[in-house]
Amino acid sequence: TQLLEQSPQFLSIQEGENLTVYCNSSSVFSSLQWYRQEPGEGPVLLVTVVTGGEVKKLKRLTFQFGDARKDSSLHITAAQPGDTGLYLCAGQGAGNMLTFGGGTRLMVKP
Amino acid sequence: DAGITQSPRHKVTETGTPVTLRCHQTENHRYMYWYRQDPGHGLRLIHYSYGVKDTDKGEVSDGYSVSRSKTEDFLLTLESATSSQTSVYFCAISNGYEQYFGPGTRLTVT
Repeated sequence: TQLLEQSPQFLSIQEGENLTVYCNSSSVFSSLQWYRQEPGEGPVLLVTVVTGGEVKKLKRLTFQFGDARKDSSLHITAAQPGDTGLYLCAGQGAGNMLTFGGGTRLMVKP
Repeated sequence: DAGITQSPRHKVTETGTPVTLRCHQTENHRYMYWYRQDPGHGLRLIHYSYGVKDTDKGEVSDGYSVSRSKTEDFLLTLESATSSQTSVYFCAISNGYEQYFGPGTRLTVT
């Protein structure tokens, strides 16, 4: 069974601060996906990283896939209240199956 | 947004009654999935389908059955609902690479 550990579970910061969310596993994944989920809605795909060492940027969000494809990080620069939500990482294994981390609940206070 | 709808969006039912949740897609994607999301457990896979009439069990399939008679529809049935099945249920679709989620169904079993 593949497991993904996500940290921290909760994060409460002030507007303008930077933060990093980590997603770690002992298993290798063919790709890793990051989702953001708001209350009462389904997860929305932010990015997919495929290659070991890959870095993708989405405005103020930077996603990195570890060289060994076992871990990933999400860095947010100058967080804004609109970034508030639940961030989920998911590793893709055999048969297009996703293994989800437990999520990081982020609150950005104005 | 990917064309995924779920119905109903909210349901309250009594223990022992059958319940069917519907997922409908307009994207013609081959793969469809049912997940449940619970506090402390993240998203867990219940069943999935890799084509019409082709389905398989996920991590938490006990007490659930599925059917897929058309590409666009994937039904999840709780034959005899129990309080432990109170949860938020999400459907997802995939082109074989990335998964896209529906808005969810909040089910309460009293």
